[in-house]
Amino acid sequence: EIVMTQSPVSLSVSPGERATLSCRASQSLSSSLAWYQQKPGQAPRLLIYGASTRATGIPARFSGSGSGTEFTLTISSLQSEDCAVYYCQQYSRWPRTFGQGTKVEIK
Amino acid sequence: QVHLVESGGGLVKPGGSLRLSCVASGFVFSDYNMTWVRQAPGKGLEWISDISHSSSARFFADSVKGRFNISRDNGKNSMYLQMNRLRVEDTAVYYCVRETTAMDVWGQGTTVSVSS
Repeated sequence: EIVMTQSPVSLSVSPGERATLSCRASQSLSSSLAWYQQKPGQAPRLLIYGASTRATGIPARFSGSGSGTEFTLTISSLQSEDCAVYYCQQYSRWPRTFGQGTKVEIK
Repeated sequence: QVHLVESGGGLVKPGGSLRLSCVASGFVFSDYNMTWVRQAPGKGLEWISDISHSSSARFFADSVKGRFNISRDNGKNSMYLQMNRLRVEDTAVYYCVRETTAMDVWGQGTTVSVSS
């Protein structure tokens, strides 16, 4: 099983500032990595797939980078509506696995 | 508009069974692989099972292997999760998810509670 490790566990960022979230895989994924956003009481929403491709309707302030075992989600200018938990997930192999999540809050 | 609607959740005693359903609309259901993901209260996301578009391939997490079964009926635009020998630790919100490369469409979830 591929273990996904996210850091930090939580992040407090001022409005308009940059937020950088990390995800590490225990084995190489090539680019088979997705990021999801989950707000309280809601289902997750796909943000990024293929490590760096934004899903339909996702604002340009969200960007993904990385390949292999190290990946990053960047929110370039944090908005209040971006407060959520963010999960990375690998789809390189079964079983599919998620990171434990990073909670992003407004400072 | 693309929609996934889950149903069938509820309260069940340990050792009991439940069958979850997911009805899809707004896309050609038979073209897509489908997935179940669950989330225990206050916890993260856990992938449970995948089924290919034609039902030819099925995959299960070790935590549910031998107890849960996944199936689909493309004629009814529906997917199912038969859950047997339920445990307290199966308590969670269960999401039906469409899978392209990643998990691109999620239902709102149905809640399963396993308690005596």
